[in-house]
Amino acid sequence: DAMVIQNPRYQVTQFGKPVTLSCSQTLNHNVMYWYQQKSSQAPKLLFHYYDKDFNNEADTPDNFQSRRPNTSFCFLDIRSPGLGDAAMYLCATSAGGTGRTETQYFGPGTRLLVL
Amino acid sequence: KQEVTQIPAALSVPEGENLVLNCSFTDSAIYNLQWFRQDPGKGLTSLLLIQSSQREQTSGRLNASLDKSSGRSTLYIAASQPGDSATYLCAPTDSWGKLQFGAGTQVVVTP
Repeated sequence: DAMVIQNPRYQVTQFGKPVTLSCSQTLNHNVMYWYQQKSSQAPKLLFHYYDKDFNNEADTPDNFQSRRPNTSFCFLDIRSPGLGDAAMYLCATSAGGTGRTETQYFGPGTRLLVL
Repeated sequence: KQEVTQIPAALSVPEGENLVLNCSFTDSAIYNLQWFRQDPGKGLTSLLLIQSSQREQTSGRLNASLDKSSGRSTLYIAASQPGDSATYLCAPTDSWGKLQFGAGTQVVVTP
């Protein structure tokens, strides 16, 4: 029944050690988003894919990369995690795009801890 | 840049009381506005989506109003229950489908 799935739910990594977070969806939505949410803060959009078109937010650090090999999957790569990257990472999907007004559906999130 | 403010930041009410959560935004050129619920350590669940042309949207005990020209939305939850305890976030959407979230209102409903 799960529609947006994120793996793992909890990830512990070491300072500077690359890490990859995974998101998959069964909704066949063409738009996928990655958000970063730090404790007691609002989610912040990092980037999104409209189909295969990648759209990076202007203030997203270069340390964060993403891949979308097909409609169902999207990955978030953090090349050299710092202590400040510890956060909840949320994946979302929507059937929307330019001029569309569709609801975004969120996964349960991956909590990243950097030691 | 869109700035979204949610007041109050936290709210505690006894079970059965009605909840009123406020959201204000600075840029009225929004495409729609969504209200979400977030339980501790979990993802976001969409509660209501109001199109920019609408004034109100209802789902069960939830009612959301939108005054786009004044940059305000209000979420009403009738007859609150302990299960309503969560953080509620509002997020105006621009024409590209990008959400700009407020920091949320943390709600505790005591039995």
